[in-house]
Amino acid sequence: EVQLVESGGGLVQPGGSLRLSCAASGFTFSSYWMSWVRQAPGKGLEWVANIKQDGSEKYYVDSVKGRFTISRDNAKNSLYLQMNSLRAEDTAVYYCAREVVVAATHGWFDPWGQGTLVTVSS
Amino acid sequence: QSVLTQPPSASGTPGQRVTISCSGSSSNIGSNTVNWYQQLPGTAPKLLIYSNNQRPSGVPDRFSGSKSGTSASLAISGLQSEDEADYYCAAWDDSRVVFGGGTKLTVL
Repeated sequence: EVQLVESGGGLVQPGGSLRLSCAASGFTFSSYWMSWVRQAPGKGLEWVANIKQDGSEKYYVDSVKGRFTISRDNAKNSLYLQMNSLRAEDTAVYYCAREVVVAATHGWFDPWGQGTLVTVSS
Repeated sequence: QSVLTQPPSASGTPGQRVTISCSGSSSNIGSNTVNWYQQLPGTAPKLLIYSNNQRPSGVPDRFSGSKSGTSASLAISGLQSEDEADYYCAAWDDSRVVFGGGTKLTVL
């Protein structure tokens, strides 16, 4: 069974840091682009960042550039999101998702993890 | 303010057909395929439609998608109570994904 399990969320003060992890199983992790998507309480979905299979390409939404870093460890089948200089507006459930790429064109997210809640508050 | 525009809400009675629209621009929907995600209350999003009109295995054929120009639509026929959920459209725009703001579907 293809599965993604996030961990590492919690309560952090503004300006603080947190590292999220996503453990993948049931598929060849090193063959897929991976993404982080977040959802603020009661709000819609917002793509945060993605990373190529070998980690050589990474892209971010403007609001997190310079503060968040996406990375992966293919030997451990794991995806990470290092979040620094956290702000109240970063409060959200963070989902990791596998990207399906077809003919070198970005496609869709399937599956998604269950999410991990990050709360930035003093 | 989401890049893709969806109606915030939609509703229908059991058995009815409902459609949810998604409007974008030439840089996203106009240039790339559209995907739809269903988010049941309290759960993670799930892929519902990919590549404009393709259903993953396990998704009932009551769900269908279409795209024309810079707009897309999700149609649900034979509406059922378990279809009550939030629905999001998404498309790639350059090197990023953009989502619609989501449509809350209520089954009356």
